[in-house]
Amino acid sequence: GAVVSQHPSWVICKSGTSVKIECRSLDFQATTMFWYRQFPKQSLMLMATSNEGSKATYEQGVEKDKFLINHASLTLSTLTVTSAHPEDSSFYICSAFPGPAAFEQFFGPGTRLTVL
Amino acid sequence: ELKVEQNPLFLSMQEGKNYTIYCNYSTTSDRLYWYRQDPGKSLESLFVLLSNGAVKQEGRLMASLDTKARLSTLHITAAVHDLSATYFCAVVISLDSNYQLIWGAGTKLIIKP
Repeated sequence: GAVVSQHPSWVICKSGTSVKIECRSLDFQATTMFWYRQFPKQSLMLMATSNEGSKATYEQGVEKDKFLINHASLTLSTLTVTSAHPEDSSFYICSAFPGPAAFEQFFGPGTRLTVL
Repeated sequence: ELKVEQNPLFLSMQEGKNYTIYCNYSTTSDRLYWYRQDPGKSLESLFVLLSNGAVKQEGRLMASLDTKARLSTLHITAAVHDLSATYFCAVVISLDSNYQLIWGAGTKLIIKP
């Protein structure tokens, strides 16, 4: 099956620093990648949709200047949490969508971010 | 309003018992997914249901879809401890040619030996 990787899997950082999370589709090209965050005991919340070569579309309430998304190629999207604060601590999951002909999107293993 | 409602939200049951989790959705969709999530882990795809009347089975889990009723069910047969996890359903919608998933709140399932 299609494989999506995320790096790092767990990061702890100090408040005020920036953290970059990478999402890669390893054996297919993804026209679209999605970024989700998940708080404990809650469902997934879509943060943004990114299409290769264009600006990401952010969901309402998600600050685009705080969560920078770059979808530089068909196999790589990055999420940078700028000036992280403790309330940004969460589980961030990316998914990659091969295209309209695909039946489903494929999820990465997630990145746990802890901001001290 | 686009909504996906799962019921129940929490379920504790004994091994060997049967139970059904329900997923109701408020908008037209022709694609519904079931995922499993273990604590601290990402999502594992269980079923992709693509058409009205679709039924899929994998081991002790069986999923069905009724697009007319906008209802999907995930049935657990003779539950075993290893099935303890949180189960999510998600429905595909297309908005302005954009594909998006609308998620249920999840059903936390605890199966006691």
